Amino acid sequence: AAGVIQSPRHLIKEKRETATLKCYPIPRHDTVYWYQQGPGQDPQFLISFYEKMQSDKGSIPDRFSAQQFSDYHSELNMSSLELGDSALYFCASSLGRWEASYEQYFGPGTRLTVT
Amino acid sequence: AQSVSQHNHHVILSEAASLELGCNYSYGGTVNLFWYVQYPGQHLQLLLKYFSGDPLVKGIKGFEAEFIKSKFSFNLRKPSVQWSDTAEYFCAVTITGGFKTIFGAGTRLFVKA
Repeated sequence: AAGVIQSPRHLIKEKRETATLKCYPIPRHDTVYWYQQGPGQDPQFLISFYEKMQSDKGSIPDRFSAQQFSDYHSELNMSSLELGDSALYFCASSLGRWEASYEQYFGPGTRLTVT
Repeated sequence: AQSVSQHNHHVILSEAASLELGCNYSYGGTVNLFWYVQYPGQHLQLLLKYFSGDPLVKGIKGFEAEFIKSKFSFNLRKPSVQWSDTAEYFCAVTITGGFKTIFGAGTRLFVKA
C-alpha cells in the first residue's frame, strides 16, 4: 500500500539558510500534518492543512511557513535556520472526514541538520 | 492547555513479562486517544486507537488499551512482551473535531532476550 512520502530524507543546511521540506500524502488523503521531533523528544505539532486550508496551528515558529497544494502535497518552508531547528520533521496524512480524520499515517521523516 | 503525561520514561523488562504503560491526559471534553510505536530508526506507527464505544480496545501485535474516562487515562498493556517490542511508545490525544494532536513524552521500552 502507498505510504506518506517525504523528501528529502536528509538535509544539511547552515545557519541562516532556508530549507524546504516536501510531503506527499497517501492517495485520497486530504489532510496533512507537520511535526517536529527533537533528539530524544516527543513529536511537537507544528501545523495542519485540510483541503488546502490551514486547519490548526501549533508551536510553529514565525520563520516557518507551510502550504498545501491542489494535489494535496504540502511544503514546509523554513527560513533563517537556527541550530535549534535541527530535528526530525514528520509529515502525516489522514482522511479529513468524520472519525477517519483522526487516524494519521506518518511518513519516514526528514532529518534536518543545521550547522 | 491540553497535555499528555506518560509516567514511565524508561522501562526494562524480560521477555514474557507483562507490560503496562501509563498515560493520562488533561482535557475536559471529548477526545480521541492513540498509542503509537516508534521502532529504532523508523517512523511512528499506529498501535491502536479509541474514538468511542467499548473502552477496551485491541491493537496490533497483541497490544490493548483501556480508556477510563473518570481517570482521564488510557493505559497500554501487553500480557507477554517479546524482544521485538523494544521501541519507544507514545500516547497521543486529539480533541474531537480538531486536528491538533498532542503527544506524550514517550516511554522507551527495552526487552531483554
